Amino acid sequence: GQNIDQPTEMTATEGAIVQINCTYQTSGFNGLFWYQQHAGEAPTFLSYNVLDGLEEKGRFSSFLSRSKGYSYLLLKELQMKDSASYLCAVREEGGKLIFGQGTELSVKP
Amino acid sequence: EAQVTQNPRYLITVTGKKLTVTCSQNMNHEYMSWYRQDPGLGLRQIYYSMNVEVTDKGDVPEGYKVSRKEKRNFPLILESPSPNQTSLYFCASSAHTDTQYFGPGTRLTVL
Repeated sequence: GQNIDQPTEMTATEGAIVQINCTYQTSGFNGLFWYQQHAGEAPTFLSYNVLDGLEEKGRFSSFLSRSKGYSYLLLKELQMKDSASYLCAVREEGGKLIFGQGTELSVKP
Repeated sequence: EAQVTQNPRYLITVTGKKLTVTCSQNMNHEYMSWYRQDPGLGLRQIYYSMNVEVTDKGDVPEGYKVSRKEKRNFPLILESPSPNQTSLYFCASSAHTDTQYFGPGTRLTVL
């Protein structure tokens, strides 16, 4: 069956580093996405991994291990505005996109 | 400006009254998709379309219809809405293997 797991909520301190994990079991694999969603707004794209390894984009990095069905999103130099929900999503080979339930990140001063 | 638009943004209706939520994108994207988002359940895909005249069921297609007669538009149709379809709906589009761009969302309440 399909399953994407990520922690429900996390708390971190401004200026710190936080890692949000995502594990998945899906029917085929054609890429993994991370999105950020602020309350009441649409999700916005953060990163895309289709090959194993680390993709870095400014303060945000994403890692993928296809053999382990595992990804993480790393946020550095946390800012208050990073408080949001972070969504992990896997695209299956036929084009279907499966989302995890999201991780609610709270950044404290 | 590249964007995905949805209309209406807010809608309150009654059980059984057919409604359509429109979605349009101006980026010439092949892939379009509809999602619903509910507390505790995350984003769930309703239908998606890989190209014109090609549509496929997502995880929760029951009670919904879609059509893709032209590339830019992908309307979501609720023939006979029920209260369990009260939700926040998002349309999204992308080039095939690229990131999806989401519309602003439509908050639907079915009484």
